[in-house]
Amino acid sequence: AQRVTQPEKLLSVFKGAPVELKCNYSYSGSPELFWYVQYSRQRLQLLLRHISRESIKGFTADLNKGETSFHLKKPFAQEEDSAMYYCALSYNGGSQGNLIFGKGTKLSVKP
Amino acid sequence: KAGVTQTPRYLIKTRGQQVTLSCSPISGHRSVSWYQQTPGQGLQFLFEYFSETQRNKGNFPGRFSGRQFSNSRSEMNVSTLELGDSALYLCASSLSGTGPYEQYFGPGTRLTVT
Repeated sequence: AQRVTQPEKLLSVFKGAPVELKCNYSYSGSPELFWYVQYSRQRLQLLLRHISRESIKGFTADLNKGETSFHLKKPFAQEEDSAMYYCALSYNGGSQGNLIFGKGTKLSVKP
Repeated sequence: KAGVTQTPRYLIKTRGQQVTLSCSPISGHRSVSWYQQTPGQGLQFLFEYFSETQRNKGNFPGRFSGRQFSNSRSEMNVSTLELGDSALYLCASSLSGTGPYEQYFGPGTRLTVT
């Protein structure tokens, strides 16, 4: 069965420190992977998708098929990065709306 | 464009009752997905509708059902409510095609079952 694991419930760092939010997945095919973010009192929204290979708000994520991981990284954390982050997997090429989410990691960036 | 809207935003029901939640997608979006969010299980996929047909289904009992109308609006129904159905129900809409497409989420409906 498909599964997404985010091992850390809470990650606390100081402003300016590097951040890595871990995500591991279980899927035998070729997954489409996403990071969604939920800021306080806002809706869940897409941060980035692996196929785009883009950097959004300084965040990047690389798909490592050998390690079945899709960790989210940022070299210098900012206070406004504090939020709930969810890793998600789609096994229909991302063209259908059936995402499998990890349980999320709460990132807290201290001043 | 207006975002995804969900009604009602809050709902309190009693065990054994049934409930219907509504979702209006972003204009032009034909796919509507429903998710249940609880502190223990996190975000879990319920089902997805596309062009008035259920295209994908998660691992939930048959008490959970849905439908989609010709204008892409969707409703979700839960019958014979149980205490464990208390959750935030999120609706998301997206374009559909070759993907991968971003899902746009609504604010959710907070259901409390007493």
